[in-house]
Amino acid sequence: GAVVSQHPSRVICKSGTSVKIECRSLDFQATTMFWYRQFPKQSLMLMATSNEGSKATYEQGVEKDKFLINHASLTLSTLTVTSAHPEDSSFYICSARADGNQPQHFGDGTRLSIL
Amino acid sequence: GQQLNQSPQSMFIQEGEDVSMNCTSSSIFNTWLWYKQDPGEGPVLLIALYKAGELTSNGRLTAQFGITRKDSFLNISASIPSDVGIYFCAGLISNTGKLIFGQGTTLQVKP
Repeated sequence: GAVVSQHPSRVICKSGTSVKIECRSLDFQATTMFWYRQFPKQSLMLMATSNEGSKATYEQGVEKDKFLINHASLTLSTLTVTSAHPEDSSFYICSARADGNQPQHFGDGTRLSIL
Repeated sequence: GQQLNQSPQSMFIQEGEDVSMNCTSSSIFNTWLWYKQDPGEGPVLLIALYKAGELTSNGRLTAQFGITRKDSFLNISASIPSDVGIYFCAGLISNTGKLIFGQGTTLQVKP
């Protein structure tokens, strides 16, 4: 149980393109989903917290207009990197949790490369 | 802000050896989690600890939640090549559900 699916697993695109990443909880309803960014050989950095039906809460220093998050249902959250540039290249990972003190379960990540 | 200090940063061991890594915090957490991340993948939950002093096992893995709620350790017994990866500890902030991650321990196992 507690499977989180993230799609696509890899994206390579030109500078200026907007890229959408999907995160789905397959076998449970996710009250909250989280979006992380991870640079090579570093830990996960939380970008934003997404609750179903409400606006995402962004961490300090994360541009909400650059990283658009939508959590339209209890099983789906999307992250759109708008007008992506090479410095946005990174490994983006989502996680989802049911409620209360349930642990977060992670997707397999999306490797984003902007040329 | 809250930080977790995880050590060691990396380990290179022989297959069959036991491994121990730990995490300390300046703040109290009510839930500690241990995850493993393979290259190019997301972290996978190994063990969740909910009670101070709790000792929990998952196969060859054993983790303990420190009595002060400011530390935790993870032991791996009789390591095998597939144990290779990065291990992260994480403390859960109860009211937000956010996780604070340690810096990770990179484990390499020599067959």
